[in-house]
Amino acid sequence: DAGVTQSPTHLIKTRGQHVTLRCSPISGHKSVSWYQQVLGQGPQFIFQYYEKEERGRGNFPDRFSARQFPNYSSELNVNALLLGDSALYLCASSLSAASISPLHFGNGTRLTVT
Amino acid sequence: GENVEQHPSTLSVQEGDSAVIKCTYSDSASNYFPWYKQELGKRPQLIIDIRSNVGEKKDQRIAVTLNKTAKHFSLHITETQPEDSAVYFCAASTGGGNKLTFGTGTQLKVEL
Repeated sequence: DAGVTQSPTHLIKTRGQHVTLRCSPISGHKSVSWYQQVLGQGPQFIFQYYEKEERGRGNFPDRFSARQFPNYSSELNVNALLLGDSALYLCASSLSAASISPLHFGNGTRLTVT
Repeated sequence: GENVEQHPSTLSVQEGDSAVIKCTYSDSASNYFPWYKQELGKRPQLIIDIRSNVGEKKDQRIAVTLNKTAKHFSLHITETQPEDSAVYFCAASTGGGNKLTFGTGTQLKVEL
């Protein structure tokens, strides 16, 4: 079975631009979460989506948005990019949002903002 | 919100020795505590997790202990091998397991 897949793997953008990152969860998983990992730090929670609804939001500005599609895949959008947005963006999926369900991460998208 | 502290930030052991990484959390409502291993340039991989109704869990050379009263949990790796070298992250969550608060990571180096 395929794990969590993310695209693209690497991306270079200029300040002020916007970016869309994509994620496909493990087959059968209905919950998708997004995390930002700055070099040398642990991942930070951005969003969780379950059944196409936002179930949680971390401490990130409104420039960050996301959505989940009927097939449970998800997109993370970041507008008006800042240099500080440079990070590894990780998508994770789990079976459920209603009960404790282990989180499985994808390989991430490495975003560099210049 | 939840705050997770992790120690040490770096840990160097000889092959075959044991390694212990410790974490504390602040939110007494946290009920799920996973540990992730992240090799350089790769995704975090879940290696073991524990729920708040359990005090200890073991999987081969890896074990995790949880002290709810003191709000701390630890990862124990026995008979360390070079392939155990990686960054290890602890995390805590309330409710479901999707909104994880991670520690700052421990760089484990297993030397021959």
